[in-house]
Amino acid sequence: DAKTTQPTSMDCAEGRAANLPCNHSTISGNEYVYWYRQIHSQGPQYIIHGLKNNETNEMASLIITEDRKSSTLILPHATLRDTAVYYCIVRGYNNNDMRFGAGTRLTVKP
Amino acid sequence: DGGITQSPKYLFRKEGQNVTLSCEQNLNHDAMYWYRQDPGQGLRLIYYSQIVNDFQKGDIAEGYSVSREKKESFPLTVTSAQKNPTAFYLCASRWAQGAYEQYFGPGTRLTVT
Repeated sequence: DAKTTQPTSMDCAEGRAANLPCNHSTISGNEYVYWYRQIHSQGPQYIIHGLKNNETNEMASLIITEDRKSSTLILPHATLRDTAVYYCIVRGYNNNDMRFGAGTRLTVKP
Repeated sequence: DGGITQSPKYLFRKEGQNVTLSCEQNLNHDAMYWYRQDPGQGLRLIYYSQIVNDFQKGDIAEGYSVSREKKESFPLTVTSAQKNPTAFYLCASRWAQGAYEQYFGPGTRLTVT
């Protein structure tokens, strides 16, 4: 599976959009991009995933560049409860080993 | 309620003892996983299983053992050979084929003294 690179930490003002970047320059054609988040001392929570088209659900939007070498998770109106570690993971369609990196610690400030 | 349960939430053991962490899911998922998380760190894969009676080592399998005798259960044993067993342990599951996401349990915090 391709490796990912994320910033260690980011801040965001409450009510503003949080844009979390992820680089995955070695991604291959059948690999999906997944985003999870982990609130302190809890199990990670799935947010969204995509292959090449932009995706949106009730939690977030996922923007994948045309060359698929990077992506951005967008939380449109961040709240204090969105403070968490966000993980970007790349995984092949039928691969069963999900590996998490260190993620980005997002702090939403009032 | 469908989901993944891990018990207990907190577990304390003396050094030199083996300890087994429970993970049960009623989501009818094929694949199950165990991760370890140390303070301030990401998740590291210990073992995973795609089907009953089969499992594969992850990145840090040394000092751990697993079994998968039933589809819904994937217990993890932390043996005395694991040098630094104190950690937060997370279990997850998903359907094995396709682009499906993982579902995580609430975790077990193991402290060995």
